Amino acid sequence: DIVLTQSPALAVSLGQRATISCRASESVRSSMHWYQQKSGQQPKLLIYGASNLASGVPARFSGSGSGTDFTFTIDPVEADDIATYYCQQSRNDPLTFGSGTKLEIK
Amino acid sequence: EVQLVESGGGLVQPGRSLKLSCLASGFTFSNYGMNWIRQAPGKGLEWVASISSSSSYIYYADTVKGRFTISRDNAKNTLYLQMTSLRSEDTALYYCARFRVDGYNYFDYWGQGVMVTVSS
Repeated sequence: DIVLTQSPALAVSLGQRATISCRASESVRSSMHWYQQKSGQQPKLLIYGASNLASGVPARFSGSGSGTDFTFTIDPVEADDIATYYCQQSRNDPLTFGSGTKLEIK
Repeated sequence: EVQLVESGGGLVQPGRSLKLSCLASGFTFSNYGMNWIRQAPGKGLEWVASISSSSSYIYYADTVKGRFTISRDNAKNTLYLQMTSLRSEDTALYYCARFRVDGYNYFDYWGQGVMVTVSS
């Protein structure tokens, strides 16, 4: 199985940039996707194919990377962005998720 | 508007069975693969099972293979998950999610989830 490694938490000031990383245990090419999960809610797709913004998602969110190293960025961070962010790969079965990065406001 | 509404969860004893349903609306259900994904309390997301649009292809996570069965009824716009031989570690919020297969393969819409608690 492909293991996706994320840092557990990140604290950022409002208006600043938040950068979340996801490292895959083997190459997933561009088959990396990012989801936002707010407390008590279902996950929401933000980025697909490493860098493509999902429909209706603000341009403050972006993604980059390929192979094994991926980055998800929020710039600028707003109060409503408090959530846990998950990466997910679809290169190989089984489909796997990272353990999530909890975004906190300083 | 795409909507996915799960139902059928509850408290069940270890070793017993439970069947979850996910009613889809707002899109042509028969054109999309579907998935079940679960989240144990306070934990991350775990993919459970996938089914293609015509039920031709079905996949399971190793943790549920042989115990869970995913199925769908395209006439009823409904996805199912039959869970048998339930264990305490199956306790989780179960989400159904639509599978967007466009070369990248990702979950573009999720239901609100249904809770399954396995306990004596």
